[in-house]
Amino acid sequence: KQEVTQIPAALSVPEGENLVLNCSFTDSAIYNLQWFRQDPGKGLTSLLLIQSSQREQTSGRLNASLDKSSGRSTLYIAASQPGDSATYLCAVGAPNSGGSNYKLTFGKGTLLTVNP
Amino acid sequence: DTEVTQTPKHLVMGMTNKKSLKCEQHMGHRAMYWYKQKAKKPPELMFVYSYEKLSINESVPSRFSPECPNSSLLNLHLHALQPEDSALYLCASSHTPRQGGSTEAFFGQGTRLTVV
Repeated sequence: KQEVTQIPAALSVPEGENLVLNCSFTDSAIYNLQWFRQDPGKGLTSLLLIQSSQREQTSGRLNASLDKSSGRSTLYIAASQPGDSATYLCAVGAPNSGGSNYKLTFGKGTLLTVNP
Repeated sequence: DTEVTQTPKHLVMGMTNKKSLKCEQHMGHRAMYWYKQKAKKPPELMFVYSYEKLSINESVPSRFSPECPNSSLLNLHLHALQPEDSALYLCASSHTPRQGGSTEAFFGQGTRLTVV
């Protein structure tokens, strides 16, 4: 059974700081890994998707890396801003146990607070 | 258009009521998902529909009944719910691996359900 762990559970930083969020997973047989942002009481916004054959993806101030063999991904946020405050969720996309379907398994998230 | 639309946004229902949650997407995705999210927890997969057929049921109680009337619509019928079923219900969609291309998942904003 795939298990996804995110460290740290919470992070508070001053504005302007660069930061790294970590995600690890137990089964390397994945299709992809997706990073989401969730604001309180809201749905999930997709930030970056890394296919299993890729090593990294970039979007603006965000950079995500994937090391499938070691079961790790990192989300790097440059020059953090108060508007970046949210919960960041990592999700691994993989076949289900029967292999015929695709499902996302989520980590518990990192609650990020960027202080002005 | 990368939007997944969920209605209603908020729902309060009694334990004897019958209600339905609706989800719609027009991205040509043939996989649609229902997730349940309790406060400060990650989303938990409930159901997966693939090509309009139920392909994954994560041992969800029968008081939750999913339906996929066509490739763009997904419903979740609710009956005789319990107060502990109060949560944010999220719908998502993606291409299937068989469709080729990216299987990036897109989420709706959710329905905040309160059972009284």
